[in-house]
Amino acid sequence: AQKVTQAQTEISVVEKEDVTLDCVYETRDTTYYLFWYKQPPSGELVFLIRRNSFDEQNEISGRYSWNFQKSTSSFNFTITASQVVDSAVYFCALSEVQSGYALNFGKGTSLLVTP
Amino acid sequence: EAQVTQNPRYLITVTGKKLTVTCSQNMNHEYMSWYRQDPGLGLRQIYYSMNVEVTDKGDVPEGYKVSRKEKRNFPLILESPSPNQTSLYFCASSTYGTGGYTFGSGTRLTVV
Repeated sequence: AQKVTQAQTEISVVEKEDVTLDCVYETRDTTYYLFWYKQPPSGELVFLIRRNSFDEQNEISGRYSWNFQKSTSSFNFTITASQVVDSAVYFCALSEVQSGYALNFGKGTSLLVTP
Repeated sequence: EAQVTQNPRYLITVTGKKLTVTCSQNMNHEYMSWYRQDPGLGLRQIYYSMNVEVTDKGDVPEGYKVSRKEKRNFPLILESPSPNQTSLYFCASSTYGTGGYTFGSGTRLTVV
């Protein structure tokens, strides 16, 4: 069963629009971690954020913000005022005690930002 | 600089010719793992290691071998590569239990 669901396969926006990438996860552990990674066309995986299950505070980093809601098992990612350089595939991932802290990735959302 | 180094970055090989993709980390991490990435499937774990001489299968271990003789190295071995192993491979390391992963730059493997 898919533990991390990224329902949006592809999103296309025009520069300066705000965009939210959805992530829904499934776990029975009380201790777990959630991540977002960015994969630009060059292929490397760029770490964006890690959040543990005990910290539901939303976080903002520049144009990026994350909304973690345990009640809905969601960890959504918003880019404000998108730019062409934001074009990439974005992955949400879950790490749980029961799976030895292996990273369980969603299938990714491909974001295209056009000028 | 703290990093995970994979080699080679690109490799084209023929079916059945044994190959090894190396992975080395300089952060003294206990935990290391290999992932493969395929279009539409995301990243899937192949093998992982919690420490020296301790390895275990991930979600897609068939056709791969690993070894962990030293803490810093975790090579991925394809004894008899097949075209369905054409993929982008990532090595990652972490201090076990912290959830903080460092990924290598990836190895793009093509098996013809």
